[in-house]
Amino acid sequence: SAVISQKPSRDICQRGTSLTIQCQVDSQVTMMFWYRQQPGQSLTLIATANQGSEATYESGFVIDKFPISRPNLTFSTLTVSNMSPEDSSIYLCSVGRVGQGGYEQYFGPGTRLTVT
Amino acid sequence: KNQVEQSPQSLIILEGKNCTLQCNYTVSPFSNLRWYKQDTGRGPVSLTIMTFSENTKSNGRYTATLDADTKQSSLHITASQLSDSASYICVVRLYNTDKLIFGTGTRLQVFP
Repeated sequence: SAVISQKPSRDICQRGTSLTIQCQVDSQVTMMFWYRQQPGQSLTLIATANQGSEATYESGFVIDKFPISRPNLTFSTLTVSNMSPEDSSIYLCSVGRVGQGGYEQYFGPGTRLTVT
Repeated sequence: KNQVEQSPQSLIILEGKNCTLQCNYTVSPFSNLRWYKQDTGRGPVSLTIMTFSENTKSNGRYTATLDADTKQSSLHITASQLSDSASYICVVRLYNTDKLIFGTGTRLQVFP
């Protein structure tokens, strides 16, 4: 398995500001993923972050709004820029790893963001 | 279009009872199908993972089944406990990719 921590666990932010979410993994991983989970909805992939290269964004998500850093194999950040109330969601970091049962994705505890 | 649909959307049962959650998917081809449990305010935690050649997989009181012909999966919970109250998400991985297709989840509430 993988131990993933996120900071902050929750935050309340004002419209127009930015928040950077940190994700720390207990061991080196090649690929890290950032997801958004809007209230009452399932998870939606924002982007895939590989160390040493630019993040790959899914349709509907852009780098200017959600810049991602991946400085090493155990750490990544996601910034939610120029926030609006529509950005109120849970943001989750995830990593992929091959285990006994094959390839598996593990999720962090999430960051609950409320934009007022 | 690759989709994963779950039913029911929500379910209330009494402690000690059994229940079954359903998942229908149109993802093709797929590598594997997983069931995750997500407690309120937490990230999803994997319960079971099955490849297309597997029919059933158990993890304690949780038993998942898969019918690749009809593209259906179910998660059966036996002798439910209060701690089973959570959302259960069916997730299908696209073949040969890291891309996961998530269902919208079933919210289960277990009452004493």
